[in-house]
Amino acid sequence: GAVVSQHPSRVICKSGTSVKIECRSLDFQATTMFWYRQFPKKSLMLMATSNEGSKATYEQGVEKDKFLINHASLTLSTLTVTSAHPEDSSFYICSARVLPLTDTQYFGPGTRLTVL
Amino acid sequence: DAKTTQPTSMDCAEGRAANLPCNHSTISGNEYVYWYRQIHSQGPQYIIHGLKNNETNEMASLIITEDRKSSTLILPHATLRDTAVYYCIRYNTDKLIFGTGTRLQVFP
Repeated sequence: GAVVSQHPSRVICKSGTSVKIECRSLDFQATTMFWYRQFPKKSLMLMATSNEGSKATYEQGVEKDKFLINHASLTLSTLTVTSAHPEDSSFYICSARVLPLTDTQYFGPGTRLTVL
Repeated sequence: DAKTTQPTSMDCAEGRAANLPCNHSTISGNEYVYWYRQIHSQGPQYIIHGLKNNETNEMASLIITEDRKSSTLILPHATLRDTAVYYCIRYNTDKLIFGTGTRLQVFP
């Protein structure tokens, strides 16, 4: 299967600071990337969908000014958590899809964010 | 709304087949059935998907009933490393909507 990486794998930051998470498709070009969030013992929740070169589409209830998504190239999408607070502490996971070859989404390993 | 129903948890002895059921009685004709699994603290891993026909790959087999209202994921020889949460997902749009999945525990 296709390989998706995320960086960093873990990050600890102070409340009020901003954190950037990178998602890269390593062996394919991703027309669309997705960002999910997962709280402990809960399922994944889709936050937003980003297409290369266009603005991200956010799910209902997700603050677009707080979770900035940039998909500047076919292999890189970034999620910036701005003015992070302890309630933003979570497991953030990206996925990537390459159309028209396949609808299948391939997931990154996730980033554990802890806000103190 | 995940629109699929799976048992909360299942156990399986190592070396035996693990059969994970999924109910998707309201599935549309153009929706695929996708299976992913998530091992603790990792990103989900794609397993297999199908539309109408049964499918098999190196990881698993997918059996879809003729009316497409349910399916079964089969891990033919479960190992301890197959312990994970398994998600059955209906998919025909941009979005993968994850339900609560089945927590499979493989024991020695």
